[in-house]
This record gives sequence, C-alpha cells and structure tokens, in this order.
Amino acid sequence: EPEVTQTPSHQVTQMGQEVILRCVPISNHLYFYWYRQILGQKVEFLVSFYNNEISEKSEIFDDQFSVERPDGSNFTLKIRSTKLEDSAMYFCASSLLTSGSTDTQYFGPGTRLTVL
Amino acid sequence: AQSVAQPEDQVNVAEGNPLTVKCTYSVSGNPYLFWYVQYPNRGLQFLLKYITGDNLVKGSYGFEAEFNKSQTSFHLKKPSALVSDSALYFCAVRDSGFNKFYFGSGTKLNVKP
Repeated sequence: EPEVTQTPSHQVTQMGQEVILRCVPISNHLYFYWYRQILGQKVEFLVSFYNNEISEKSEIFDDQFSVERPDGSNFTLKIRSTKLEDSAMYFCASSLLTSGSTDTQYFGPGTRLTVL
Repeated sequence: AQSVAQPEDQVNVAEGNPLTVKCTYSVSGNPYLFWYVQYPNRGLQFLLKYITGDNLVKGSYGFEAEFNKSQTSFHLKKPSALVSDSALYFCAVRDSGFNKFYFGSGTKLNVKP
C-alpha cells in the first residue's frame, strides 16, 4: 500500500539555523499539506499546496516558513532561523482530490524537530 | 470557529470488552469527520470518515463511529477491544468549505489483557 514518507525521522538543530524537512507524498496525489504537533498539544494545520502554489495557510505559517515541490516527488518545508518554540513533530500529508472535497488526507510518520 | 474536543485524555478497557472514544465537534458548515490512529513512532493512520449518509460508519480494524448531529458528536466504537488496539486516537473535522483539518487533542487507548 502506498505511503507518505518523511525524512529525517529526527532533526536536531541550533536556534537560528535553517532546516529543511522532506516528504515524499503518495505518487498520484495532487494536494500536499504540512501539520505540526508540539509535544502534548493538538495537531495543527500549517499549509496546503496544490499546483505548485500555496492554497491555504494558517496564522502559524509566517515568513519564517516556506514550502516547495522541487521535483516530481519531493515536498519540502523550510524553516528559516529556527526558534526554540519550533520544536515539534512535523507531519506531511497528501490527498488525491481537490480542495474542499471529501477526500482523505494520508499522513507520513513525522519528523521530530528539536531546536536547542 | 471550527474545533474538535476529545474530553478523555485516556481510556482504559479490558480486552474483549467494548470500547468508546469520544469526540464532539463544532463547525460552521456541514462537517466532514475523520478518525485517525497513531501507533508509537508511526504517522497518523486513517481509520474512517463520515461525509454524508448513514450515521453509523464502518472503518478499518473493526472500528466504527456514530455521527450524531443533534449532539454534535462522532464517537469511535469497537464491539470487542484487542490489546493491539492500544494507541493514540485522533478525531478530526473539516468544514465543507475548507481544506484543512482541525484535530482533537487525542485520546490514549489502553487495552489490558
């Protein structure tokens, strides 16, 4: 069964450094997402991406964050100048159908980001 | 504003007994409701969803959920729990007009032999 994959599984970085989290969505899916879960808190939506542009983003997704689909398979989340409060589990997800549909989002295993 | 509440941080059940994991929601439009399960060191796995139609939805691994519009609830159920069902369960809602999911805080299910 196809799965969303994410690398690395754990990333440790120093405050102020840039990190790139990588995801490979399910191959025929068209919509891609990033969510994050701060330890002990809810899973929160960050951004959705379709047709090489952001289709929706939350108030969390400020100028510090950016997303990119650099090739036909990868979907990345870049965090510039990381802060301590960026420490969280970051989940990538993908779905086949269009925004606003009833389609299911399939999630990857997550990348645990630790900012020291 | 869209939101989901899972009132129980933890549910303890004996193997073979029925289980219920509670979820209530608040959306401005028609709700699309989902349940996901998270095993240790794994991503969120889709269990089932309610979009329209029958209020009782059947999903993976013998789980089902009942949509109750008047109570704005979408409780997850299973008639006979297994030890392997022990995991973290998340309820999520999506407003019909939007793309993003709103997740509950999660409920840890412990099934004891």
